[in-house]
Amino acid sequence: EAGVVQSPRYKIIEKKQPVAFWCNPISGHNTLYWYLQNLGQGPELLIRYENEEAVDDSQLPKDRFSAERLKGVDSTLKIQPAELGDSAVYLCASSQSTNTGELFFGEGSRLTVL
Amino acid sequence: AQSVAQPEDQVNVAEGNPLTVKCTYSVSGNPYLFWYVQYPNRGLQFLLKYITGDNLVKGSYGFEAEFNKSQTSFHLKKPSALVSDSALYFCAVRPTNAGKSTFGDGTTLTVKP
Repeated sequence: EAGVVQSPRYKIIEKKQPVAFWCNPISGHNTLYWYLQNLGQGPELLIRYENEEAVDDSQLPKDRFSAERLKGVDSTLKIQPAELGDSAVYLCASSQSTNTGELFFGEGSRLTVL
Repeated sequence: AQSVAQPEDQVNVAEGNPLTVKCTYSVSGNPYLFWYVQYPNRGLQFLLKYITGDNLVKGSYGFEAEFNKSQTSFHLKKPSALVSDSALYFCAVRPTNAGKSTFGDGTTLTVKP
């Protein structure tokens, strides 16, 4: 069974440029998460989807970040415009839609903003 | 608000010795507790979880963890460490009535031959 797939693995951009990350969760997992991981810190939730509905986006900086999961399967996270402080690893995870389910993570997308 | 504390940034042990990675949490109500491991340039991998029942839970690669409600702790343990256990370990907590997991800042485990 394929795991959570993310792309690109690495991205280097100039500040003020846009960037997008894509995630395909494990088949059958209704819940999808985007996490931000800064160096030396644990993942911090940006947004959580139940199917196509964003049920928790309270930590998403909506002035520059957006996300979508139009058909309730794969998802895209966009930053426009990127700032130096956005350099981090963006992790996607999925789980079955129960509270007891563990998260399955992708390998992450490492963003460097110059 | 829920939170997780991993008081040790780094834990060093010799191969073959027992290891403990500490975790304490704060959450309203009963918690679901998780441990994840992260190898360099990889995503997090699930190790084990406590949902209910026996306070000692067993997981992947010989790891186990003990839930202690009175001390609000969920320490990760292994009787005999391997060099290949060297990695970054994260503890996470989720309230039983919400879907959001909160992670600690991680503990780097180094097992020396």
